[in-house]
Amino acid sequence: NAGVMQNPRHLVRRRGQEARLRCSPMKGHSHVYWYRQLPEEGLKFMVYLQKENIIDESGMPKERFSAEFPKEGPSILRIQQVVRGDSAAYFCASSLVAVGSSNQPQHFGDGTRLSIL
Amino acid sequence: KQEVTQIPAALSVPEGENLVLNCSFTDSAIYNLQWFRQDPGKGLTSLLLIQSSQREQTSGRLNASLDKSSGRSTLYIAASQPGDSATYLCALTGAGNMLTFGGGTRLMVKP
Repeated sequence: NAGVMQNPRHLVRRRGQEARLRCSPMKGHSHVYWYRQLPEEGLKFMVYLQKENIIDESGMPKERFSAEFPKEGPSILRIQQVVRGDSAAYFCASSLVAVGSSNQPQHFGDGTRLSIL
Repeated sequence: KQEVTQIPAALSVPEGENLVLNCSFTDSAIYNLQWFRQDPGKGLTSLLLIQSSQREQTSGRLNASLDKSSGRSTLYIAASQPGDSATYLCALTGAGNMLTFGGGTRLMVKP
């Protein structure tokens, strides 16, 4: 009965490199959400995906950031050409159904802490 | 645009005290409200979820209330313990299904 699994837990990259963050939702969950927590700031929504589809990416920067949730395998948040300002904790959450249509909560992983040197 | 504010930002109390954490929001068109706990370096643990049609939810020593008309929610913690020390986050689900978070209240319960 595993929860939401994120890896790696910690990731260090140099400026200009690529970062790939992975999220495996809870078993049976087809809705995935990515949030970012900048140092000393609250969590901010980035992107909402359902299997093979991006539902809402309004919180994701237009450049360098992309997300996918393929039919098989984990959801991936990809950051190209990382900069110092990308240093943050990135959290993934999953839900059984669309949250607004039920009382199902979003379940969170432990996050990936990204540090840019 | 929904804005969520949590007051106070930090709170320190002696063990055994009852305490109230506050959350206010600007847009009452919400599906539900969740209270989370976040320990340092960890993810979020869901504590309570209140649907928009409900007024309160209880779990053990925790009680959360929701007043949509005034845009407020409170989290009441009874008989606080040192293990309750953490950051408590309030988050709302509105149109679009994403959560909008408050800035959190950092709670320290001293033995």
